Amino acid sequence: AQSVSQHNHHVILSEAASLELGCNYSYGGTVNLFWYVQYPGQHLQLLLKYFSGDPLVKGIKGFEAEFIKSKFSFNLRKPSVQWSDTAEYFCAVNARNTGNQFYFGTGTSLTVIP
Amino acid sequence: EADIYQTPRYLVIGTGKKITLECSQTMGHDKMYWYQQDPGMELHLIHYSYGVNSTEKGDLSSESTVSRIRTEHFPLTLESARPSHTSQYLCASSEGDRVGEKLFFGSGTQLSVL
Repeated sequence: AQSVSQHNHHVILSEAASLELGCNYSYGGTVNLFWYVQYPGQHLQLLLKYFSGDPLVKGIKGFEAEFIKSKFSFNLRKPSVQWSDTAEYFCAVNARNTGNQFYFGTGTSLTVIP
Repeated sequence: EADIYQTPRYLVIGTGKKITLECSQTMGHDKMYWYQQDPGMELHLIHYSYGVNSTEKGDLSSESTVSRIRTEHFPLTLESARPSHTSQYLCASSEGDRVGEKLFFGSGTQLSVL
């Protein structure tokens, strides 16, 4: 079955630690890839997206993600996390061969300890 | 940034009641969506619309119904609520089929059915 997999369900880091959250998808063809973030008590918002061009994309608040087509992956990274990065992170895929619908992973809960 | 509004923010009701969750957007977006989100689970698409008078069921079977009489309004109705309907319901919209389109989310409605 086609899916979006996020490998880490809960991550706890100290401030200034580096972050990498895994995301793999199984949709074929042309895909657009997204990371959404949901801060406590807030709505989901776009962190960054990839649809073409440079596979290394930069988003808000120092986040970046790398699209590796051969690995069907779109991992999220940040060199040095802050307490304010505590949130739920969702990887999403928008695939042309599935009617342009958005499919989400199960989310990763990140807790950053001051 | 998001101009998409959901009401109520929280709702606690008894079994068998009819409820309508409201969703409105002021961005003139053609596509609107309803997702169901449970803790530790991916967002599941339950309904979507391509525009006025267009409604489609998503991947997750749902006993709810939707309507799209106006571009800005996409309400979701449960004719007879049950405890199994307890969940967070997220409304979203997007501009259409442009490359790299992103979803704009509302703040969600947390529904509890007793």
